[in-house]
Amino acid sequence: RKEVEQDPGPFNVPEGATVAFNCTYSNSASQSFFWYRQDCRKEPKLLMSVYSSGNEDGRFTAQLNRASQYISLLIRDSKLSDSATYLCVVTNQGGKLIFGQGTELSVKP
Amino acid sequence: DADVTQTPRNRITKTGKRIMLECSQTKGHDRMYWYRQDPGLGLRLIYYSFDVKDINKGEISDGYSVSRQAQAKFSLSLESAIPNQTALYFCATSATTSGETQYFGPGTRLLVL
Repeated sequence: RKEVEQDPGPFNVPEGATVAFNCTYSNSASQSFFWYRQDCRKEPKLLMSVYSSGNEDGRFTAQLNRASQYISLLIRDSKLSDSATYLCVVTNQGGKLIFGQGTELSVKP
Repeated sequence: DADVTQTPRNRITKTGKRIMLECSQTKGHDRMYWYRQDPGLGLRLIYYSFDVKDINKGEISDGYSVSRQAQAKFSLSLESAIPNQTALYFCATSATTSGETQYFGPGTRLLVL
């Protein structure tokens, strides 16, 4: 079993749609949680950290459920520019990042 | 100018050749990392270094070696390249005080024939 697993995708949605990505992690000792965004053929960039209380950044909302070892990302009012691959990332006890395989999002006009 | 740079950006080589991928950063970070990315597998850690005198193996270090020449430079070598090392390679850095936010270079596309 992979340490971090994401919805395989791809997700194809129209502009303005709401889309949710799910992620599960296997190591209950994981300490920190993030969503990174990766545009085609480019480097990953931090989108947002994920906190137990949930956090929001504009149209993006991230949630963490430690009991279920589950992380989510909600994107409201999708824009064409949101098209990218979204990577779920957790840190282990040594502070190293463990990446999920990514979920591709394509927002269509 | 980019904070994290990688050279070369693209490389085609033959099986058995030795190649080096280089990474430089101007962010002043102590921590540096090398990852490879393969379709469907996400990013996997090859080696990492928390300071100039510290080198650690990651998840998939076999067939690779690294050198931390200075705080700003971290190079990855393939001593004898093989086709299954064809991948996209990323260098990343992070600050000691906030080691979890990593900043990635633009990547090196490597094709081993």
